[in-house]
Amino acid sequence: DGGITQSPKYLFRKEGQNVTLSCEQNLNHDAMYWYRQDPGQGLRLIYYSQIVNDFQKGDIAEGYSVSREKKESFPLTVTSAQKNPTAFYLCATTQGRGLEQYFGPGTRLTVT
Amino acid sequence: DQQVKQNSPSLSVQEGRISILNCDYTNSMFDYFLWYKKYPAEGPTFLISISSIKDKNEDGRFTVFLNKSAKHLSLHIVPSQPGDSAVYFCAAPRGVSSGSARQLTFGSGTQLTVLP
Repeated sequence: DGGITQSPKYLFRKEGQNVTLSCEQNLNHDAMYWYRQDPGQGLRLIYYSQIVNDFQKGDIAEGYSVSREKKESFPLTVTSAQKNPTAFYLCATTQGRGLEQYFGPGTRLTVT
Repeated sequence: DQQVKQNSPSLSVQEGRISILNCDYTNSMFDYFLWYKKYPAEGPTFLISISSIKDKNEDGRFTVFLNKSAKHLSLHIVPSQPGDSAVYFCAAPRGVSSGSARQLTFGSGTQLTVLP
């Protein structure tokens, strides 16, 4: 059963703590992306990776970090430097030069 | 600079009628457009797309129209069904087509509510 897994579905953290969001895919897709969605706004790109061991900053990378040690995995760390971390985080993938992105179910992060 | 704009945050339509969702863009270099549908607390799912060499693409109840001179596209849903109630995003790939994947720029979304 191919797909994109994001865990957990809901995550709660105290302010000042780093937290890592998981994204795993078994679609054998090359590129992976992280977005955040805030109420009334579109999806904003945080980081993306086109191949293993390579990644680029998106539009709102400050306060976030990523790694791409395996093709299947692209974890996102929300650091204490991120000023407004509470949001809905979405991971996506594309295959090769494909333009259609496939999305995971998302993780709702709440920081208090 | 928001290059893809959805100026209507919400739209309500009666079941069976047509839903028209609009999207405007500012970058004339955009060569492809996608529509995504999103339910609450879920990831978006791809709905339909259109290349800039076309002005219409149809898939069942969903049709996307592209007016390049006006930098405007619209998604028509006919007939609308209650299950169509969701947020709809339009998106466009940035950059030029090459061997690498392209990032998508998303609009802010339109909440469609189909009333039974």
